[in-house]
Amino acid sequence: NAGVMQNPRHLVRRRGQEARLRCSPMKGHSHVYWYRQLPEEGLKFMVYLQKENIIDESGMPKERFSAEFPKEGPSILRIQQVVRGDSAAYFCASSPRQDEKLFFGSGTQLSVL
Amino acid sequence: LAKTTQPISMDSYEGQEVNITCSHNNIATNDYITWYQQFPSQGPRFIIQGYKTKVTNEVASLFIPADRKSSTLSLPRVSLSDTAVYYCLVGGNTDKLIFGTGTRLQVFP
Repeated sequence: NAGVMQNPRHLVRRRGQEARLRCSPMKGHSHVYWYRQLPEEGLKFMVYLQKENIIDESGMPKERFSAEFPKEGPSILRIQQVVRGDSAAYFCASSPRQDEKLFFGSGTQLSVL
Repeated sequence: LAKTTQPISMDSYEGQEVNITCSHNNIATNDYITWYQQFPSQGPRFIIQGYKTKVTNEVASLFIPADRKSSTLSLPRVSLSDTAVYYCLVGGNTDKLIFGTGTRLQVFP
């Protein structure tokens, strides 16, 4: 059973471009969470999704950021018109149920030039 | 959501026991206490979870007093590979687990 897969591992974008981060949860997991981490800081919750539904997006900026978890395929975190402040590590986690522990991927390091 | 407070950093030597205490004065009745470990450039990894008293697994022990306002993660006989950041989290569900800045543990030879 493969773990949570995130790609790309590293993503470089210029200001104004779009960034798409992908997350394939563990097999059998229908709950997906996205976190952002700046250097030397803890993880900041962004959004929680369950197949085709956004359950909690209170940690995600209302502008330029969006997330989806379609019935088929990976979860996507999309950042439009990236700015330098978006540079961070973005981690995805999945769980089989809401009260189960989280399994994290290795993250995507986004660098905005 | 209960806020947690834990030391910013700790140092230890190989073979010693390390105890990291986390304060969570506003813990709710249905909240669990969970600890994660994070190595550089990796996602956090679940270590242990408990509700009350003591929980032990192959990696660590978790001690929770009766009032549940704090908890202590105990790592027996640490090695260099235990150098990492350790996060204490409190919550009833995983819908919005809050990761603080964690405790940066440095193990020396």
